Amino acid sequence: DQQVKQNSPSLSVQEGRISILNCDYTNSMFDYFLWYKKYPAEGPTFLISISSIKDKNEDGRFTVFLNKSAKHLSLHIVPSQPGDSAVYFCAASSSYKYIFGTGTRLKVLA
Amino acid sequence: GAVVSQHPSWVICKSGTSVKIECRSLDFQATTMFWYRQFPKQSLMLMATSNEGSKATYEQGVEKDKFLINHASLTLSTLTVTSAHPEDSSFYICSATLDRPGTEAFFGQGTRLTVV
Repeated sequence: DQQVKQNSPSLSVQEGRISILNCDYTNSMFDYFLWYKKYPAEGPTFLISISSIKDKNEDGRFTVFLNKSAKHLSLHIVPSQPGDSAVYFCAASSSYKYIFGTGTRLKVLA
Repeated sequence: GAVVSQHPSWVICKSGTSVKIECRSLDFQATTMFWYRQFPKQSLMLMATSNEGSKATYEQGVEKDKFLINHASLTLSTLTVTSAHPEDSSFYICSATLDRPGTEAFFGQGTRLTVV
């Protein structure tokens, strides 16, 4: 049973445009959500997070939106840059346990 | 951010042997560490939660006798893959948190295990 899902395995975006990565979850007990970026053969690096009491958090080019009623969160990257090309994982947490989504491979085209 | 170091970064072993992977929190204490496994082109699968001073909590479907976890101190957790087989070949990643709600998990660099 996949508690955290990323339904788009891949996404291609032109440089300078907006990248929108989506994530859905099923467990209403999750209270903290995160986005990680991962390159092959490396551990994930933290990008941005949001608490369940908020609906938006912004950090530079990255903004995370949370829709609790829909159990949906999204990551917006604007403007997208070629260096953003990587696999992005969303994660949901409760009681310090982190459950990851299946990942979306983002490719930013120059 | 906090640093988590994982060692070794890659290892090749023969079938039937055991391999130990270390995960250290370098600049903070971590009561809880997590072990993940990633198959090619797939998500990070949580294997177990490592608790300092007590037994690890394994996720459903993960063999506890196969994947031995020891969290002997607040800065070190180890994962031992026992009697390794080629199907155990994978990328193993550990993470640790600051033991405060609403904080991110910090990940090690990962260990590529190849069993031949």
